[in-house]
Amino acid sequence: AQSVTQPDIHITVSEGASLELRCNYSYGATPYLFWYVQSPGQGLQLLLKYFSGDTLVQGIKGFEAEFKRSQSSFNLRKPSVHWSDAAEYFCAVGAWGNKLVFGAGTILRVKS
Amino acid sequence: DVKVTQSSRYLVKRTGEKVFLECVQDMDHENMFWYRQDPGLGLRLIYFSYDVKMKEKGDIPEGYSVSREKKERFSLILESASTNQTSMYLCASSLGGEKLFFGSGTQLSVL
Repeated sequence: AQSVTQPDIHITVSEGASLELRCNYSYGATPYLFWYVQSPGQGLQLLLKYFSGDTLVQGIKGFEAEFKRSQSSFNLRKPSVHWSDAAEYFCAVGAWGNKLVFGAGTILRVKS
Repeated sequence: DVKVTQSSRYLVKRTGEKVFLECVQDMDHENMFWYRQDPGLGLRLIYFSYDVKMKEKGDIPEGYSVSREKKERFSLILESASTNQTSMYLCASSLGGEKLFFGSGTQLSVL
């Protein structure tokens, strides 16, 4: 069965510091991988997605993620975090047609 | 921009009540989904629909049903609400495999 593990429930980083959020998945075929962000009181917004091709994908708001098949990982990174990045981040895996399985989420806190 | 609208932001119901959660999208999307979101569990798929009058069970359909009579509207029904159905409910839509568009959610409390 497909599953997503986000090992870190909470992460706190200083403004301006780099960020990496971890995501490991289990999937029987070539996965479609996504990162979504949820700001307080809001629905989820797509940050980036990987379907095929270049394993380093760029997203909105300066985020990027790297697909590593050998490690079954799709970690999200940002070189310099802004206070407005404080939110909850969800990794998701699925097939074409959007029946996605989501991870439990990582809450990012940014300290000034 | 695609807009997915959920009828209520907060809802308080009593145990045993029949509850309707409504979701409307304005971009003629074929696919619609209902998820529930719980702290520490992320989002779990309840039901989804790829077409009008069509529905498929997700991972946690027990205690829920859905209705899709029109393409733009997807309703989630709790036949007899229970306290363990207290949760945030998120509706989403998509045209194909690109991405999901989410509503802002309905926080349901069952007392």
